[in-house]
Amino acid sequence: GAVVSQHPSRVICKSGTSVKIECRSLDFQATTMFWYRQFPKQSLMLMATSNEGSKATYEQGVEKDKFLINHASLTLSTLTVTSAHPEDSSFYICSAKDPRTGELFFGEGSRLTVL
Amino acid sequence: AQKITQTQPGMFVQEKEAVTLDCTYDTSDPSYGLFWYKQPSSGEMIFLIYQGSYDQQNATEGRYSLNFQKARKSANLVISASQLGDSAMYFCAMREGRDSSYKLIFGSGTRLLVRP
Repeated sequence: GAVVSQHPSRVICKSGTSVKIECRSLDFQATTMFWYRQFPKQSLMLMATSNEGSKATYEQGVEKDKFLINHASLTLSTLTVTSAHPEDSSFYICSAKDPRTGELFFGEGSRLTVL
Repeated sequence: AQKITQTQPGMFVQEKEAVTLDCTYDTSDPSYGLFWYKQPSSGEMIFLIYQGSYDQQNATEGRYSLNFQKARKSANLVISASQLGDSAMYFCAMREGRDSSYKLIFGSGTRLLVRP
């Protein structure tokens, strides 16, 4: 079974609303998680590194006020897309490293559609 | 400059034959790691194989092997005895530096279609 779980797997929202996506590590504690965005037929682009107990580190060109990341516990990171617009429609994927083994696990992804 | 380059947007292979998916990378860091992931239409990222920059031998995992040519900065994935279930997107990715971070940089991907 999955060791990193994302919820929801699919979400449709109206333009202007905010959407929260959760990423949970089920079998280990993750001090660091990563959030990626994937547009249709394109590659994964790293958005930010989520650090437990501190601020996220955003990649160049990613608006931190638009994509709020909270890593309040060692097993949960959340990505909130604020005031979503149709251009934010994408597949969002998180990943987390198991500190015991060094293995990196990806979540199942969350497909966001903004109408 | 592109860090990870996958020059084949799409590939076809006949079932039971072998196929090579190309990947070249660019880094000045002597310590790095190279990954291959499979992404079926459902979207999840499935880890296939890993090669560390200091590994002396090419990585192998079942039907997957990585043709690592360090001097040429290439890390091609070889899938032997292709199966219909191998049809998917394949991404090459790189991690720079030591284990301090698992921030991965992905290539543009190759869509593989296995023909019966």
